[in-house]
Amino acid sequence: EVQLVESGGGLVQPGGSLRLSCAASGFTFSIYWMTWVRQAPGKGLEWVANIKQDGGEKNYVDSVKGRFTISRDNAKNSLYLQMNSLRAEDTAVYFCARDAGPSGYDLLDYWGQGTLVTVSS
Amino acid sequence: AIQMTQSPSSLSASVGDRVTITCRASQGIRNDVGWYQQKPGKAPKLLIYAASTLQSGVPSRFSGTGSGTDFTLTISSLQPEDFATYYCLQDYNSPRTFGQGTKVEIK
Repeated sequence: EVQLVESGGGLVQPGGSLRLSCAASGFTFSIYWMTWVRQAPGKGLEWVANIKQDGGEKNYVDSVKGRFTISRDNAKNSLYLQMNSLRAEDTAVYFCARDAGPSGYDLLDYWGQGTLVTVSS
Repeated sequence: AIQMTQSPSSLSASVGDRVTITCRASQGIRNDVGWYQQKPGKAPKLLIYAASTLQSGVPSRFSGTGSGTDFTLTISSLQPEDFATYYCLQDYNSPRTFGQGTKVEIK
């Protein structure tokens, strides 16, 4: 069974940092792109970043470029999101999702339950 | 970034109704669109990818059409469990972008 479990969320002050983790199991992690998506309270979904299988390609939404870094450790079946210089508008539930794989299609077919990040003083 | 304009933002419908939700892309994106369903407090669920391919396990009352800039999600006969918020997502290029969402409510 495919499982994605996020952790690392919490309350942080503006300007602070937080590192989110996503532990993957039930599939061959190293052959899939992986993605982070966030959802501010009461708002819609926002795509944040994704990373290629070997970590050699990373993409970000403009609003987090230079502040967030996506990474992965295929030996640990884990995805990460390092978030620096956090702002109030980064407050959201952060989901990790499995992305493109051997099928060749870009699709987010499995999602974690999400972890809440609150940026507030 | 490509903009995905989704409409309507909300709709009221009854069980058994046919429901149509549309997304318009700000440029041509071939058929690189997925549709997702989200219920309150839950993670989104993939319904359709590549504009019209039904994800495994998704009921056949869901269907998707479109290519280029205009895309449609149709629920042929709304069921009680279908009341949720629906999002389109373009995966033509990065950054990927979601539509604003359509909340389907009980009439």
